[in-house]
Amino acid sequence: GENVEQHPSTLSVQEGDSAVIKCTYSDSASNYFPWYKQELGKGPQLIIDIRSNVGEKKDQRIAVTLNKTAKHFSLHITETQPEDSAVYFCAAARNTGTASKLTFGTGTRLQVTL
Amino acid sequence: GAVVSQHPSRVICKSGTSVKIECRSLDFQATTMFWYRQFPKQSLMLMATSNEGSKATYEQGVEKDKFLINHASLTLSTLTVTSAHPEDSSFYICSASRAGANVLTFGAGSRLTVL
Repeated sequence: GENVEQHPSTLSVQEGDSAVIKCTYSDSASNYFPWYKQELGKGPQLIIDIRSNVGEKKDQRIAVTLNKTAKHFSLHITETQPEDSAVYFCAAARNTGTASKLTFGTGTRLQVTL
Repeated sequence: GAVVSQHPSRVICKSGTSVKIECRSLDFQATTMFWYRQFPKQSLMLMATSNEGSKATYEQGVEKDKFLINHASLTLSTLTVTSAHPEDSSFYICSASRAGANVLTFGAGSRLTVL
């Protein structure tokens, strides 16, 4: 089955700096890579996703890159703000066009300090 | 947008009792829902895939007789933790996607505490 590793487990950055979280996956057939933000006591919220037919996707301050050959993908948050503080999870799935069974990474606790 | 609602958000029960958690897709029909369990400061672990009108598919190591899943309609899946014990205390989260779509929406989670 799929195995997703995520680093770092914790990340502290100053407000305004950039944050980068990296994930690797094992199943070369995985083709869907979402990123979720989870605040304390809440369910995960999708913040961005990327499919294997593109190498990069950007949405305002958030971007994701994918390297299929190396089987790794990364989340980039620029101009971080205190409200970005949360736990971020990457995930991978074989997306067949219907609901996908996600395998999650171990999570990164991001702390944005003033 | 797609909204998934879970109820209850928090539940405390005595050891040996059963607890039912509901997962509803509010504005769309979901033929498939997923149930996850999350222990403190850990990742989400898939427990089972809930399929409308058929039996759920459980992940390896998840006891199907302990975690009963019923997906009786296109908008509702329920997870019943039977004869709960303190080690079942966890955060249970469901997710669903619209039929034909491939983006999952998660519920807000249900925190179960077994005394």
